[in-house]
Amino acid sequence: RKEVEQDPGPFNVPEGATVAFNCTYSNSASQSFFWYRQDCRKEPKLLMSVYSSGNEDGRFTAQLNRASQYISLLIRDSKLSDSATYLCVVSSSASKIIFGSGTRLSIRP
Amino acid sequence: GAGVSQSPRYKVAKRGQDVALRCDPISGHVSLFWYQQALGQGPEFLTYFQNEAQLDKSGLPSDRFFAERPEGSVSTLKIQRTQQEDSAVYLCASSQGDAGNEQYFGPGTRLTVT
Repeated sequence: RKEVEQDPGPFNVPEGATVAFNCTYSNSASQSFFWYRQDCRKEPKLLMSVYSSGNEDGRFTAQLNRASQYISLLIRDSKLSDSATYLCVVSSSASKIIFGSGTRLSIRP
Repeated sequence: GAGVSQSPRYKVAKRGQDVALRCDPISGHVSLFWYQQALGQGPEFLTYFQNEAQLDKSGLPSDRFFAERPEGSVSTLKIQRTQQEDSAVYLCASSQGDAGNEQYFGPGTRLTVT
């Protein structure tokens, strides 16, 4: 079993829709959680950190469920520009950092 | 200020050649990470530096891979006797803190071994 697992997708949703992804992790000692976004043939860029109490940034909401060991990302009112691969990232120490394989999202007009 | 830069952006090597990939992190960033990203996969951790100290090299796939950051700034990832399975994008990232902090990635070096 992979340490960080994501549904690879692709998720194909119409513009304006709400879409959500989950990411599960196996190490209960994990401390830091992030969502990164990666466009095709580009480098990953931080979308948002994920805090224990959940956090929101505009149309994006991230949540952490430590009991079930997953994090989630919700995108409301999706835009064409949201089309990308979303990478779940989990860190359990100063150097131990694991990326998921990513979930591909495609927004159609 | 400038972001993370990497060079070369593309490298084609014949099997058995040695290659050296360079990373210039954001000025003042203490931490530097190297990753290997295969097509359709997420980045896989290779190694981590805090200043000039290589604190974790557990992700290096073999002893053909070597990384250094002698002055705590620029880093070089060297791959000796390249093999076809080394073909991937090599990403460098820097951070003000450790892995629990936001990482800023460079554009990557796409290595193709023929």
